[in-house]
Amino acid sequence: KNQVEQSPQSLIILEGKNCTLQCNYTVSPFSNLRWYKQDTGRGPVSLTIMTFSENTKSNGRYTATLDADTKQSSLHITASQLSDSASYICVVSDRGSTLGRLYFGRGTQLTVWP
Amino acid sequence: EADIYQTPRYLVIGTGKKITLECSQTMGHDKMYWYQQDPGMELHLIHYSYGVNSTEKGDLSSESTVSRIRTEHFPLTLESARPSHTSQYLCASSENLLHQETQYFGPGTRLLVL
Repeated sequence: KNQVEQSPQSLIILEGKNCTLQCNYTVSPFSNLRWYKQDTGRGPVSLTIMTFSENTKSNGRYTATLDADTKQSSLHITASQLSDSASYICVVSDRGSTLGRLYFGRGTQLTVWP
Repeated sequence: EADIYQTPRYLVIGTGKKITLECSQTMGHDKMYWYQQDPGMELHLIHYSYGVNSTEKGDLSSESTVSRIRTEHFPLTLESARPSHTSQYLCASSENLLHQETQYFGPGTRLLVL
């Protein structure tokens, strides 16, 4: 069964600190993996996208890693800011259909305190 | 910032009423999607469209219907709302690329059925 599991479910950190969010997936055949940021009451916004051959992708203070062999990904946030408070969703796409079926994790709810 | 819009943002309505959730995008994207998301849970695909006059049901069974008469417009209709329809509804669109496209999400409509 194709699944995407994220951990932790929630995380509280102090402003300025770093954190790492985890994503494990069983989606096959794998096409790509995306990390989205979803602010409360808003739609998700894409942060990074990685294909099978990519190990690392950065977007400002966000750095995503992918290990396609172990089917794991992480999102590292450096020097957190209050505006980083949001839900971070891992999304994996398969190659099994023309639609490019997306499998969503439940997200990690990050809260940054001053 | 994605050019995809949803109205209304919030809707409180009584059981049995007919409602239409509007979604429009100005990016000229062929593919459009409707997702349902409950608090703390993953997004579930309920409808999608490859283009004008194309509509398909997603993975999550839904009593709603959609139409795609114009490229930019993808409304979702509930003929008779029930409390079980209370949820957040997210519309998204993407270019017609095979597997690599990024979905751009609207801000969502939060629906409460009393």
